[in-house]
Amino acid sequence: DIQMTQSPSSLSASIGDRVTITCRTSQSISNYLNWYQQKPGKAPKVLIYAASSLQSGVPSRFSGTGSGTDFTLTISSLQPEDFGTYYCQQSYSTPLTFGGGTKVETK
Amino acid sequence: QVQLEESGGGLVKPGGSLRLSCAASGFTSSDYYMGWIRQAPGKGLEWVSYISSSGSTLFYADSLKGRFTISRDTAKNSLYLQMDSLRAEDTAVYYCASLSPGIWFREPFYFDYWGQGTLVSVSS
Repeated sequence: DIQMTQSPSSLSASIGDRVTITCRTSQSISNYLNWYQQKPGKAPKVLIYAASSLQSGVPSRFSGTGSGTDFTLTISSLQPEDFGTYYCQQSYSTPLTFGGGTKVETK
Repeated sequence: QVQLEESGGGLVKPGGSLRLSCAASGFTSSDYYMGWIRQAPGKGLEWVSYISSSGSTLFYADSLKGRFTISRDTAKNSLYLQMDSLRAEDTAVYYCASLSPGIWFREPFYFDYWGQGTLVSVSS
């Protein structure tokens, strides 16, 4: 199974801050990496797929980079509506696996 | 507008069974791979299973094999998850989701549309 290590597990940042979340996989997955945002009581929503492709309708302040085993989700300027928990997920092989999540709180 | 709506969750005793349903509207779900993801209270996301558009290919999380069965009814535009021999650790919100078309071409794919989830509680 491919293990997903996400960091940090939580962070607190101010509006306008640049926020970076990392995801490391236990083996190379090329660009088979997705990022989701989840708000309390709601289903997750995909932000970035294939490591760096922005899902339609997602603000351009979200971006993803990486390939192989190391990936990054960046929010260029944190907005109040960006609070929530972010998960990475690999689709390279089954079992499909998710990172443990990063809870983003606004200061 | 694409909508997925889960139903069938509830309280069940350990060892019991439940059948979850996911009704799709706004698209022909039989054109897509579909899957289930669960989330235990206060925990992260865990993939459960997915099924091909034809229903011929099934994948399960290793820990669930033999207890859970995924299926679909194209005529009803619906997805199902039969859960048997339930354990306390199966307590979670269960989401159904469609998989993006990249899976057809062995390209990167993701969980595209999600339902609102249905809560399964396993307790005596």
